[in-house]
Amino acid sequence: GAGVSQTPSNKVTEKGKYVELRCDPISGHTALYWYRQSLGQGPEFLIYFQGTGAADDSGLPNDRFFAVRPEGSVSTLKIQRTERGDSAVYLCASSSNRGTDTQYFGPGTRLTVL
Amino acid sequence: GIQVEQSPPDLILQEGANSTLRCNFSDSVNNLQWFHQNPWGQLINLFYIPSGTKQNGRLSATTVATERYSLLYISSSQTTDSGVYFCAVVPNAGGTSYGKLTFGQGTILTVHP
Repeated sequence: GAGVSQTPSNKVTEKGKYVELRCDPISGHTALYWYRQSLGQGPEFLIYFQGTGAADDSGLPNDRFFAVRPEGSVSTLKIQRTERGDSAVYLCASSSNRGTDTQYFGPGTRLTVL
Repeated sequence: GIQVEQSPPDLILQEGANSTLRCNFSDSVNNLQWFHQNPWGQLINLFYIPSGTKQNGRLSATTVATERYSLLYISSSQTTDSGVYFCAVVPNAGGTSYGKLTFGQGTILTVHP
C-alpha cells in the first residue's frame, strides 16, 4: 500500500482480556517498529523488527506484551491479560532500512481497557 | 539514554505569524525527524534532518549537530498548522540503537484565525 496501515483503528476491551493489534508496513520496508503513546506524551519505543526477527524488544513493558512478524511484512502486537494502564495509542512505523532512514508512521490503534 | 527537550511547550499564534520551535538533545545523533501530529493523531513527517538545513514550502528546519539542537521554522502560519510538533532522534550509539526513535514531549501549537 501507499502508507503504513493499522487495524483496528479503535479497540475497547475489558480488563483481563487478550488483544491483537495489526500493522501493515510500507511495501518493501524491512524495518518495523512499534511505539506506544499515552495522553499528552510523545511516543515511546516498544520493539523493533529487522525482517522476521525482533532485533530489539527492550521497550516492551513486561511479559504480557509480545509481537511477531512471521513473514517479514505484517506484524501483530499481542497483549495478554490487559490492564487499565495499557490504554494508549499504539503506533507502528516502518523504514526502508535500519533507523538511519526516515520512519513513516501509521494512524495508530487506540486501545481502551475498561 | 538520550534526552530530548522541546521548547516552548505551548505556543499560541495569530494566523500569518512566524514561529520557531526548538529541540535540544543530549548526545550525538544519526537520525533526527520532525513530525506534526494532527488532531486525529496521525504523525506526519515534516523533515528528516540529522544535520544541515532543509526547506519545504512555509516550513524549514536546521540542525546543528555539533551543538546538539534543531530548529523548526514555520512562516505565515495557518490554522491548519495547529497540532503537536514532535522532534525525535536516534542516538549515534555505534549501531546498538537499532533506529529506535526517542521523542521529545512536543510543542502544542494553536493558530487562531
